[in-house]
Amino acid sequence: NAGVTQTPKFRILKIGQSMTLQCAQDMNHNYMYWYRQDPGMGLKLIYYSVGAGITDKGEVPNGYNVSRSTTEDFPLRLELAAPSQTSVYFCASSYWGGQGNTEAFFGQGTRLTVV
Amino acid sequence: SQELEQSPQSLIVQEGKNLTINCTSSKTLYGLYWYKQKYGEGLIFLMMLQKGGEEKSHEKITAKLDEKKQQSSLHITASQPSHAGIYLCGADVGTGAGSYQLTFGKGTKLSVIP
Repeated sequence: NAGVTQTPKFRILKIGQSMTLQCAQDMNHNYMYWYRQDPGMGLKLIYYSVGAGITDKGEVPNGYNVSRSTTEDFPLRLELAAPSQTSVYFCASSYWGGQGNTEAFFGQGTRLTVV
Repeated sequence: SQELEQSPQSLIVQEGKNLTINCTSSKTLYGLYWYKQKYGEGLIFLMMLQKGGEEKSHEKITAKLDEKKQQSSLHITASQPSHAGIYLCGADVGTGAGSYQLTFGKGTKLSVIP
């Protein structure tokens, strides 16, 4: 199994540009998450999804959009990139069932720099 | 707001020493997770705790969950340079709308001096 795959691994954007960070999982997980990690800090939740067609805001959603048209894919869209969005972005997935949650599986991260 | 508080924020220990990292939640815990992150890399899953009083061990790392105190501790025995990194606790926090958010603390940076 590939697990959670994120693309790209690195990207440099100019202020005002837009881009989509891709995330795909092949474990049939219902929950998917997007986090950002700033230097020296923990993970902050941007958006999450409990299943296809359902998304909800996390702690820091401003400046981002998501969609979940399939169970496998959970892309994160940055509109009008700003320097404050320079960060490392992690996608994760987990399975919530009758016994509770499994551990979350993480992608390798996307290092984004906005200049 | 940050719902998971980790302490200490950073820790420097000599190789061979024991150490403990704590994680305290301000909300009810439905699941508690410990991850390790090497600098600039992805997250490595260590352990998951779901029941009050639960204790799990893997090699020299032991984690405990005190459900009443809404607190978990991670204990490393006889630390080695390979234990160095950032330790993150995560928890499933109910949203009140029937779903859960997986939130994380700010992490504890561990350095082990040979």
